[in-house]
Amino acid sequence: EPEVTQTPSHQVTQMGQEVILRCVPISNHLYFYWYRQILGQKVEFLVSFYNNEISEKSEIFDDQFSVERPDGSNFTLKIRSTKLEDSAMYFCASNTGGHEDTQYFGPGTRLTVL
Amino acid sequence: GQQLNQSPQSMFIQEGEDVSMNCTSSSIFNTWLWYKQDPGEGPVLLIALYKAGELTSNGRLTAQFGITRKDSFLNISASIPSDVGIYFCAGPSRDTDKLIFGTGTRLQVFP
Repeated sequence: EPEVTQTPSHQVTQMGQEVILRCVPISNHLYFYWYRQILGQKVEFLVSFYNNEISEKSEIFDDQFSVERPDGSNFTLKIRSTKLEDSAMYFCASNTGGHEDTQYFGPGTRLTVL
Repeated sequence: GQQLNQSPQSMFIQEGEDVSMNCTSSSIFNTWLWYKQDPGEGPVLLIALYKAGELTSNGRLTAQFGITRKDSFLNISASIPSDVGIYFCAGPSRDTDKLIFGTGTRLQVFP
């Protein structure tokens, strides 16, 4: 069964450094998402992406964040200058039809900012 | 904004017992999703509900979409140790494609 994959599984970085989190969505999916889950809290939406542009972003997704689909398979989340409070699990998700279509989640990348 | 509240926050049960958990909202959702999250993993979809009143089963799991479209429940029958995890309800935000997640119910199953 096709699945969303994410790399790395765990990323440790120093505050102020840039990180890039990578995702390979399910191949025939057209909508891509990033979510964040701070330890012990619920999953929160960051950004959605369709047709090579951001379709929606939350207030968490400030100028430090950017997303890109550099080729036909990868979908990346970049945090330009990490802060301690960026430490969280970051989940990529994808689906075929956007609104009300089931989103399938990757296993996540645990980001630890020291 | 739209919020989903889950109860109970956590449950500790014996293997073999049945479990029931709730998700409520002050606003209407047109789709209800139930996800399970194992420690250190991403949410995995268990059941999707698309119509008010719909009752859907997936093995030992049963979920219902409330008539008012403001609530849903998930039941697990004859729990087993691998049912341990956090169960989240979720629904798409009005007019957008982002998912709103509930606060989660943490389930512990003791042998």
